[in-house]
Amino acid sequence: GAVVSQHPSWVICKSGTSVKIECRSLDFQATTMFWYRQFPKQSLMLMATSNEGSKATYEQGVEKDKFLINHASLTLSTLTVTSAHPEDSSFYICSARDPSGVPYEQYFGPGTRLTVT
Amino acid sequence: RKEVEQDPGPFNVPEGATVAFNCTYSNSASQSFFWYRQDCRKEPKLLMSVYSSGNEDGRFTAQLNRASQYISLLIRDSKLSDSATYLCVVNMNRGSTLGRLYFGRGTQLTVWP
Repeated sequence: GAVVSQHPSWVICKSGTSVKIECRSLDFQATTMFWYRQFPKQSLMLMATSNEGSKATYEQGVEKDKFLINHASLTLSTLTVTSAHPEDSSFYICSARDPSGVPYEQYFGPGTRLTVT
Repeated sequence: RKEVEQDPGPFNVPEGATVAFNCTYSNSASQSFFWYRQDCRKEPKLLMSVYSSGNEDGRFTAQLNRASQYISLLIRDSKLSDSATYLCVVNMNRGSTLGRLYFGRGTQLTVWP
């Protein structure tokens, strides 16, 4: 099946700093990638949909100036958490859709665990 | 009301037991339905898609009732390795976003020896 990688797998940063998370589709070209956030014992919540070559579409309540998304190529999307605060500590997961694959199926990256101290 | 509702459990069952999970969804325009499995501190992985006619994959059986907007997952002959959180997932097109997935909170299953 299709493979999606994320980097880093975990990161600890100080409050006020910015963190960049990369999401790559390794064996297919993903025109659409999704960014999710999951707090402990909660469901995955979609933050934004990232389309290659265009601006991301953010879900209601997600600050686009705080969570910067760049989808510069068909295999790479990045999420930058700017001026991170402890409440941003969470599990961030990306997914990608293979346009030549099963309709509506998304392939998930292994996630990035962010801890802001 | 949440798009997808699940009983969070936890369900604690002995090996060999049969266990069933239920899920309801709120939007009748939902198009595709899935069960994902998520292990602790890992990403979700697709377990199976759910079709109106019902479908089976080994020990796992999934059912969809569109009229009641209800999805189920049955696990027979539970194994220790089945211990995980099971996520009910619904796909809808929403605005310009094709194939947007909505996740339930997940139902936690622990299988004990």
